[in-house]
Amino acid sequence: AQRVTQPEKLLSVFKGAPVELKCNYSYSGSPELFWYVQYSRQRLQLLLRHISRESIKGFTADLNKGETSFHLKKPFAQEEDSAMYYCALAGGGNKLTFGTGTQLKVEL
Amino acid sequence: GAVVSQHPSWVICKSGTSVKIECRSLDFQATTMFWYRQFPKQSLMLMATSNEGSKATYEQGVEKDKFLINHASLTLSTLTVTSAHPEDSSFYICSATGSSGITDTQYFGPGTRLTVL
Repeated sequence: AQRVTQPEKLLSVFKGAPVELKCNYSYSGSPELFWYVQYSRQRLQLLLRHISRESIKGFTADLNKGETSFHLKKPFAQEEDSAMYYCALAGGGNKLTFGTGTQLKVEL
Repeated sequence: GAVVSQHPSWVICKSGTSVKIECRSLDFQATTMFWYRQFPKQSLMLMATSNEGSKATYEQGVEKDKFLINHASLTLSTLTVTSAHPEDSSFYICSATGSSGITDTQYFGPGTRLTVL
């Protein structure tokens, strides 16, 4: 069975501070991992995926198979980063398993 | 591009009635659509996967006779909650992918809030 764990329900940081949203996974095969973001009153949208190895809006995430982690990082938080972030794992058939989400609040 | 819409955005119904929720891909052909359910302050839980022209595949614990899914065209999937009860009240979200590849991006609809009285 596949599982995604996001240990923090809420993460509060000050503007300009570094951000790290934690995500750990459990999957027997070769995982594909994603970060989705949901801004207030908006739909869920893809932020980044590990196979792309790209930086979106200053966020990066590296897949660490040894630690089964896919933490989301940004060196300097901005106010507009405040949102709900979901880590997700794609198993067979493109089915996504979501973590419980972390609410990021960036304070001035 | 890659916009998914849902209709209605919210619905209130009486216990025992059936409710249909539509999910449309507006600018692409969706070979696969997914239906999720989200309880307040909880994560999205996959209910079923539907491929155009074939029967939906339901996740364990989801009653297929309760949640009827039809994917009749490449741009439309519907979820019908039959004989709805208060415990069916939830936020229902659909997503769509544009091909049958394993790692294709899912584009999400805005969700439908169902309240059963």
